[in-house]
Amino acid sequence: DAGVIQSPRHEVTEMGQEVTLRCKPISGHNSLFWYRQTMMRGLELLIYFNNNVPIDDSGMPEDRFSAKMPNASFSTLKIQPSEPRDSAVYFCASSRFQGAITETQYFGPGTRLLVL
Amino acid sequence: ILNVEQSPQSLHVQEGDSTNFTCSFPSSNFYALHWYRWETAKSPEALFVMTLNGDEKKKGRISATLNTKEGYSYLYIKGSQPEDSATYLCAPPPAGGSQGNLIFGKGTKLSVKP
Repeated sequence: DAGVIQSPRHEVTEMGQEVTLRCKPISGHNSLFWYRQTMMRGLELLIYFNNNVPIDDSGMPEDRFSAKMPNASFSTLKIQPSEPRDSAVYFCASSRFQGAITETQYFGPGTRLLVL
Repeated sequence: ILNVEQSPQSLHVQEGDSTNFTCSFPSSNFYALHWYRWETAKSPEALFVMTLNGDEKKKGRISATLNTKEGYSYLYIKGSQPEDSATYLCAPPPAGGSQGNLIFGKGTKLSVKP
């Protein structure tokens, strides 16, 4: 299996621009998670989906952030407009069974975002 | 919301030293605890999932124990090697239930000098 795929791996953009991060979960996985890694807050959960349905988006910082999962094999995280404080590494992870607290999450390689 | 504390924040040891670090979590409404290993410039990878009080899991030179009554888990590394250098994260599901999500601690960053 190819594992969780994220694109792009690196993104440099200017403040005010729209940024779209993409994720392809492992085939057969029902849950998908978006995380942000910062020095101050560590690895924080932004939003997660079960069977393509958003379950909890309370971690999304503000209305500039939105996420979609139109089908089982694709999800996007969009920031519009982007700000320098959004600079971070964004990880996508997937796991097999919806709602199973013992299921391992498999992480993608991350997208390193720099907003100038 | 669940308060997950990991200590120490960072640790520097010599190759061959054994080491351990702690993950603390509220003991009420415990469901499970995950340990992940995160090497620099890579992605977190799962080490263990622990569910029962007194659980002990082992993977090579790395082992972990769980005390759900007092709300802590220890991760031990025997005879540390430079390739063990990484950040070790623990993650329980949030108190009150979960639909698969986890709350990650800030981790213990281990550096092993050759």
